[in-house]
Amino acid sequence: AQTVTQSQPEMSVQEAETVTLSCTYDTSESDYYLFWYKQPPSRQMILVIRQEAYKQQNATENRFSVNFQKAAKSFSLKISDSQLGDAAMYFCAYRRYNNNDMRFGAGTRLTVKP
Amino acid sequence: DVKVTQSSRYLVKRTGEKVFLECVQDMDHENMFWYRQDPGLGLRLIYFSYDVKMKEKGDIPEGYSVSREKKERFSLILESASTNQTSMYLCASSLTSSPEQPQHFGDGTRLSIL
Repeated sequence: AQTVTQSQPEMSVQEAETVTLSCTYDTSESDYYLFWYKQPPSRQMILVIRQEAYKQQNATENRFSVNFQKAAKSFSLKISDSQLGDAAMYFCAYRRYNNNDMRFGAGTRLTVKP
Repeated sequence: DVKVTQSSRYLVKRTGEKVFLECVQDMDHENMFWYRQDPGLGLRLIYFSYDVKMKEKGDIPEGYSVSREKKERFSLILESASTNQTSMYLCASSLTSSPEQPQHFGDGTRLSIL
């Protein structure tokens, strides 16, 4: 079974600084997708960024980027120029290519200090 | 924008009651999902449905059932609620089974079983 591990239960960052959230996963598959979701206090999960395993280029969405290391099975999220609105729980998730089942990590709570 | 609506934001029920959690999506999505979210465990899939009247078990289906009589509505049923089912429940939907299609989440129902 695939598992997703987020080793940092909590992280904090100063406003305008950069922070990196870690995620590792375990799989024997070669085709899959990886995701970062954000859950603010309002509770609605929002997709932040997505990475296809077959793409070597790291995905980027504005201030959010990933460092995808397929061989190491690592998928970290970098948030640049952190803003107060970035404060949330962040979940890393894995999805096999031909499967509806998505596996989530335990989450990292990010605090942004003004 | 996709709208996934969960009928209750907070719900308090008693042990042994039959509990219904309702979820409606307004974008004609094929797939719908029910997750349970617990601290330190992330999100775990209870059931999902890929078509009307079709369902598949996720990781933790015990004690739960689901119903999908109409495409837009996916209900989670706790046949006889127990205190260990106190949790946050998240509904999600996706347009198709393609992994390129993100899952869209509702705001969650925080369920307490007394």
